[in-house]
Amino acid sequence: EVQLLESGGGLVQPGGSLRLSCAASGFTFSTYAMTWVRQTPGKGLEWVSGIIGSGGITYYADSVKGRFTVSRDNSKNTLYLQMDSLRAEDTALYYCAKIYSYAVNDAFDIWGQGTMVTVSS
Amino acid sequence: QSVLTQPPSASGTPGQRVTISCSGGSSNIGGNYVYWYQQLPGTAPKLLIYRNNQRPSGVPDRFSGSKSGTSASLAISGLRSEDEATYYCAAWDDSLWVFGGGTKLTVL
Repeated sequence: EVQLLESGGGLVQPGGSLRLSCAASGFTFSTYAMTWVRQTPGKGLEWVSGIIGSGGITYYADSVKGRFTVSRDNSKNTLYLQMDSLRAEDTALYYCAKIYSYAVNDAFDIWGQGTMVTVSS
Repeated sequence: QSVLTQPPSASGTPGQRVTISCSGGSSNIGGNYVYWYQQLPGTAPKLLIYRNNQRPSGVPDRFSGSKSGTSASLAISGLRSEDEATYYCAAWDDSLWVFGGGTKLTVL
C-alpha cells in the first residue's frame, strides 16, 4: 500500500526554524517527484514546493522562496522541508504528496495526512 | 486572492447534476492541464480528475472534467450525500502550481 507519513511539525517562535519529514512507502520513491502543500485551518490549499525524482531540480512558491528548502534522500525514501525565518503566516497544516510522474507538473496522486506547524510567540 | 477563480459555494439535491467552474489565464489553464481535488471534511485532499478529464481508478464516472480555453469545469452527476466536500482546481503556471480558492459543495 502506498503511504506517506509526515512528521516534524510543532510550535515555533517567529524567526525560528523547523524541518518537516515525509516518509514514503509502497512505491519506488526515486521514480516520482514529490511536493509540499499547506492549508491554513479553515482556508484553501496553497502549493509550497516541489522536487523532481532525482532531487536535482526544485521549485518554490514566491511566498517561501529563500526561506524554505526542499530536499529528498532517495536511500531513505524520505522527503524533507527545511523551514527557516518562519512567520506567523506560515502557520498551517503541511501535506506532502506524491506526484504522478518524475516531473513536478503532474497530478498529486497520493497525499499524506499532514503535520501541523504553528508559528507564534 | 487565488490565481484560479472558483465560486465559493455550490449546492444541489440528491440525483441532480452540479457543475463547478474554474477560471484562469493563458499561463496556467490556457497552456497546461487542469486537475481537480476533493477534500472531505477533516481529511486530506484526494485526486479526483487529472489532465483535464482523466479519472484515477476508483473515482466514479459520475465525476467528469472538461476544459475550454482558460476555463475548466468539474461536473458531478447523480449527486450523492457523500459528495459533500470542498473541491479545488489546480494548474501548472510557469514553474509553480496554482490552486483555486475551493468550492464548498452542499448536498441539500
